[in-house]
Amino acid sequence: QKEVEQDPGPLSVPEGAIVSLNCTYSNSAFQYFMWYRQYSRKGPELLMYTYSSGNKEDGRFTAQVDKSSKYISLFIRDSQPSDSATYLCAMSEDSGAGSYQLTFGKGTKLSVIP
Amino acid sequence: KAGVTQTPRYLIKTRGQQVTLSCSPISGHRSVSWYQQTPGQGLQFLFEYFSETQRNKGNFPGRFSGRQFSNSRSEMNVSTLELGDSALYLCASSPDREVLYEQYFGPGTRLTVT
Repeated sequence: QKEVEQDPGPLSVPEGAIVSLNCTYSNSAFQYFMWYRQYSRKGPELLMYTYSSGNKEDGRFTAQVDKSSKYISLFIRDSQPSDSATYLCAMSEDSGAGSYQLTFGKGTKLSVIP
Repeated sequence: KAGVTQTPRYLIKTRGQQVTLSCSPISGHRSVSWYQQTPGQGLQFLFEYFSETQRNKGNFPGRFSGRQFSNSRSEMNVSTLELGDSALYLCASSPDREVLYEQYFGPGTRLTVT
């Protein structure tokens, strides 16, 4: 079993739809949860991060973490064609655990159709 | 503030050759990590440098090495290139080792081995 599982898609939605992207993980020591957006032929761009469980909102983006289920989500409201990209989840343990690296999902490719 | 820069952006090499990739982190960032991204494996952690020392290493053979300079700039080297080394190599920087949740990526170097 991979440490982080993410449905690769592709996911195709009409403009204005609410998009739900998800990851599951197996390592209960993960404490930081990040979402990155990667456009074709570009490096990943950090969208937002969450510490432990709970929700975090930034504009049209909402990140949710459910540590009891080892499940994280990213919601995109009022999706736009410019949101078309690959979305990567990433996770890390607390720095005190000594593991200074991110573990990534393989990414979900999203297309928002005008 | 300028972002993470990587040079060169594209590189074509022949099997058996060696290659050096360069990364300049965001000004003030002291931790630099390297990742390999392929369609099959996704983003995989190579190594992390902090204060000119390799602090953490992923599961890659010894052909992959790197270094960090006193100004935090970093280079990675791959010797005896194999076809399977064809990938996008990404460098990421963060303010400190404990701030991995604020890791910012460069555009990557796309390496093709023929």
